[in-house]
Order: sequence, then C-alpha cells, then structure tokens
Amino acid sequence: KAGVTQTPRYLIKTRGQQVTLSCSPISGHRSVSWYQQTPGQGLQFLFEYFSETQRNKGNFPGRFSGRQFSNSRSEMNVSTLELGDSALYLCASSPKGDYQETQYFGPGTRLLVL
Amino acid sequence: AQKVTQAQTEISVVEKEDVTLDCVYETRDTTYYLFWYKQPPSGELVFLIRRNSFDEQNEISGRYSWNFQKSTSSFNFTITASQVVDSAVYFCALKYNFNKFYFGSGTKLNVKP
Repeated sequence: KAGVTQTPRYLIKTRGQQVTLSCSPISGHRSVSWYQQTPGQGLQFLFEYFSETQRNKGNFPGRFSGRQFSNSRSEMNVSTLELGDSALYLCASSPKGDYQETQYFGPGTRLLVL
Repeated sequence: AQKVTQAQTEISVVEKEDVTLDCVYETRDTTYYLFWYKQPPSGELVFLIRRNSFDEQNEISGRYSWNFQKSTSSFNFTITASQVVDSAVYFCALKYNFNKFYFGSGTKLNVKP
C-alpha cells in the first residue's frame, strides 16, 4: 500500500498570504489528522477529520482551517500568514480514527513564511 | 492533564553502544495507548511501536526493546548495538479517549561511527 502523501513538500510564502496544503491518506483510511511542528513548540495537534467532518480541534486560531473530501483526502488552509506559521506540517491517517489505532504520518510540508 | 516528558534533549553515542531513551507520561485515564515514533532528517514520523495500558509485557524487535512500567509511568526505549542509521529524533506519545497525540519534546540521538 502506498503511504500517506503530502503536497507540496516545500513552500515559501510571504506574510499576509494564504496557503493550502494537501494530504492523501493511506488507501482505506478515513481519518486524517494534522500536526504543526516547530522547534519552539514541538508537535502540536491542529485538527482531525473523519468522513468529511471535523471531529477534534486543537488550540489554534481560526486562520487555520481544514476540510476533507469524500475520498478522504484532506486539505488545510492557513490564511493571513504570520512569520510564526513557519513550520513542518504533518498529516497522519488511520482507518477509523479510534484512539487505539496507530496513525501513519506523511513526509510533511515545510512552510517558510518571509 | 495529559503530558509526556522526554527529559533527554540530545544523546550522543558511538556506534555499537547501547542507548536508552526515557519517556515518562501522566494521565488519569486507566485506558490509554503509548507510542514511539522515529523522525529522520527527512521529516516523516516513522511508527515504531504501540502499547496499551493493560499490556505491561516488554517488547523486543531486533535491536529495539521497550520497557513499560505503569508503576513509574514510564515507557523507555532501548537500542542495542546502535548504528549510524539510528541517528534521528525519537518521540514518545500518548493517546487516550480521543484520536489526538500528546507528544513529548523528542530526544535527538546522534550515533557516531
């Protein structure tokens, strides 16, 4: 089975712009979660989607949003980018989104905001 | 509150040495899951192991072994005869109730030839 894929792998944006990141889960997986990784804050949970519905949300401002499509692919959007949004954004998938399940991560998208 | 502590920020060893990465967790839930992931420089988090709170048996997988002790809320990871390819950042994580990881801050392992 192919793993979790994320596009693009690298992005450079300027402050004030918006960005959309994409995640394709492992085939058959219906849950997709997003995490932000920064040197200062570590790995932080953004949100989780299951069957096109957001089920859990982390403590991030409303500039961070996401959605999931009927084929389980997910996108996250960050509007009005700030310098502090520079990070590695990782998505993870699991079959049903039960907490007992192992989640498998993609290679991440490295976002640099100038 | 749920919390995972990895007190070792960075460890350096010489190839073939054994090394143990510590992980201490906090949770009031009786049912929870603990995980270890490896993050090489490429950035992807690679799954290593999952352990539920009711299974305290130690696990061995090749050169990797894990020691889970509920009495001390620890889930330590040992690499035997380390290799340069083991160089990475290792994360311990906790999940309970929700499909959301509480990650530790990670331990960077440098294995020198």
